[in-house]
Amino acid sequence: GDSVTQMEGPVTLSEEAFLTINCTYTATGYPSLFWYVQYPGEGLQLLLKATKADDKGSNKGFEATYRKETTSFHLEKGSVQVSDSAVYFCALSETNAGKSTFGDGTTLTVKP
Amino acid sequence: GAGVSQSPRYKVAKRGQDVALRCDPISGHVSLFWYQQALGQGPEFLTYFQNEAQLDKSGLPSDRFFAERPEGSVSTLKIQRTQQEDSAVYLCASSLKGIDYEQYFGPGTRLTVT
Repeated sequence: GDSVTQMEGPVTLSEEAFLTINCTYTATGYPSLFWYVQYPGEGLQLLLKATKADDKGSNKGFEATYRKETTSFHLEKGSVQVSDSAVYFCALSETNAGKSTFGDGTTLTVKP
Repeated sequence: GAGVSQSPRYKVAKRGQDVALRCDPISGHVSLFWYQQALGQGPEFLTYFQNEAQLDKSGLPSDRFFAERPEGSVSTLKIQRTQQEDSAVYLCASSLKGIDYEQYFGPGTRLTVT
């Protein structure tokens, strides 16, 4: 079945550091890929997505590129801020399957 | 506009009790999803509706779990004879249609079974 493996956390960075959170997936078809973020005390919200190979999703300075050859969708940001402290979830959805499969989440803490 | 709402936000049940969790999706959203999130883990799919039709219930862990969406809007997830392993956050999400559209998540209902 489908699965998503995320880099284990927690991750602690200083403000303005470079962020990478690794995500790899296993899927039978051609899934869409997502990064969701959950800020403290809030619900899950979509951060970015990519629907086909080589697509780059981007939002709020975060980027991730759909790499079919390495089955990866790593999240990157060039300069993190304290306000980026949150839990980040990588997820995939098989076309027409309805459901999403999530990784276990990576907790990011950014210190001033 | 209003987002996805869920009620109650917190529920404590004694083992063996039945519980009902409600989800109000965003108006006009065709698809509705239920997920279960255990502590420290990602959400796990339970079931999916398109309008009132339950198209996938492969994630429901046992026949004690039942979901309905009779009029294609509000949905209820019912858990009968709750067990301690049912303790989790239950998330509801809705989307315009299908899975290539963004899923909007509610705040979740935290269920604790004692």
